[in-house]
Amino acid sequence: QSALTQPASVSGSPGQSITISCTGTGSDIGRYDYVSWHQQHPGKAPKLIISDVNNRLSGVSARFSGSKSGNTASLTISGLQPEDEADYYCISYTSSDTWVFGGGTKVAVL
Amino acid sequence: QVQLVESGGGVVQAGMSVRLSCAASGFSFRTYGMHWVRQAPGKGLEWLAAIGYSGINKHYADAVKGRFSISRDESKNTLFLQMDSLSIEDTAVYFCARDLTGHYTFDYSGQGTLVTVSS
Repeated sequence: QSALTQPASVSGSPGQSITISCTGTGSDIGRYDYVSWHQQHPGKAPKLIISDVNNRLSGVSARFSGSKSGNTASLTISGLQPEDEADYYCISYTSSDTWVFGGGTKVAVL
Repeated sequence: QVQLVESGGGVVQAGMSVRLSCAASGFSFRTYGMHWVRQAPGKGLEWLAAIGYSGINKHYADAVKGRFSISRDESKNTLFLQMDSLSIEDTAVYFCARDLTGHYTFDYSGQGTLVTVSS
């Protein structure tokens, strides 16, 4: 099972919007709406922020939103803030009854 | 509140085995599936294994299938990961995580336990 493809890094200035892509195949992202996004700050455990492509978890800022088209899912952060600087990982359920992560994207707030 | 506390990490020689534990509290452990995820130093997250709430259904990543075994003990509210034939590439922080029922992902994770495999 190959890892999903994410850009290594994305950056933006405070207040800007950024989008992180996550590309898989027809056996994972393209087949199921079970893509979720996790945020991880250095030395911390991952935190679930989006499930089921676009379901924002309780307590997560409305500035975070998710979407999907074909084999590619996306996470958009609107109104970028300094505390958004972290690593972001997508993960999808697969047709093999397994899960696969993306390689992770480091978000930098300039 | 949900708490997951991993233990059992440390330094182990290549070829040897180690068993990780994850003590769960703050929720009904017996009604949730669970996952193990790892992160090598400076690298990304890697999903390893999942177990259903009953302990019957188990799933593994190809990278660890046949070497790692996931299990659970309801009486102790504890999740386990038995890791055999360890190699240097298994050096990582290992996290346990609670499955978010019906959503095919996990919500809460522990802080992780570091396993260092030495040659």
